[in-house]
Amino acid sequence: SYVLTQPPSVSVAPGETASLTCGGNNIEDKSVHWYQQKPGRAPVLVIYSDDDRPSGIPERFSGSNSGNTATLTISRVEVGDEADFYCQVWDPTSDHYVFGTGTKVSVL
Amino acid sequence: EERLVESGGDLVKPGGSLRISCAASGFTFSDAWMSWVRQAPGKGLEWVGRIKSKTNGETTDYAAPVKGRFTISRDDSKFVVYLQMTSLKSEDTALYFCANSNGGFDLWGQGTLVTVSS
Repeated sequence: SYVLTQPPSVSVAPGETASLTCGGNNIEDKSVHWYQQKPGRAPVLVIYSDDDRPSGIPERFSGSNSGNTATLTISRVEVGDEADFYCQVWDPTSDHYVFGTGTKVSVL
Repeated sequence: EERLVESGGDLVKPGGSLRISCAASGFTFSDAWMSWVRQAPGKGLEWVGRIKSKTNGETTDYAAPVKGRFTISRDDSKFVVYLQMTSLKSEDTALYFCANSNGGFDLWGQGTLVTVSS
């Protein structure tokens, strides 16, 4: 089955840029979606189809996808951005959805 | 307003069964492909399974850990999707979310807690 790998944690200072990676075999051939989940809340879609933002998501959130790595970039990080972030793809081989292992973003 | 509301979570003994529900509103439910996603305490998100729309044959697919034990169904007349769970194990303990599969999962419910314990 297809596997998505994310670093367990990323720390960033307020105002700086956070880059969250999502590794998968030839992930550039897939459409990658990103979710933000704050404690006790349901996940929220922040990036879909590699680099599109749903309405209401700040422009500070952006995405890219190349080779074996997709990246979620959070610019001008705010304390309120602290959360767990998950990448996700659809695997056509199995017709299953796959989530990454998740990255906890801490804003110091 | 688009909304999903799960219900039916409970404490169940190992080997037991439970059906949970997800009520939809504010969008064309009959066209939606609906998924269940779970999250064990302190763990990450895990896709459980999906049901396609009636137009697409109401086809279901399941993740390996639940295949053969869980069944997803839908009632478009009531705007509800169900997850029937049988032969429950302790490792099925989780918060269960329903979500609308629209490219990414762009709409989620608040979740319903299923606890499997003796």
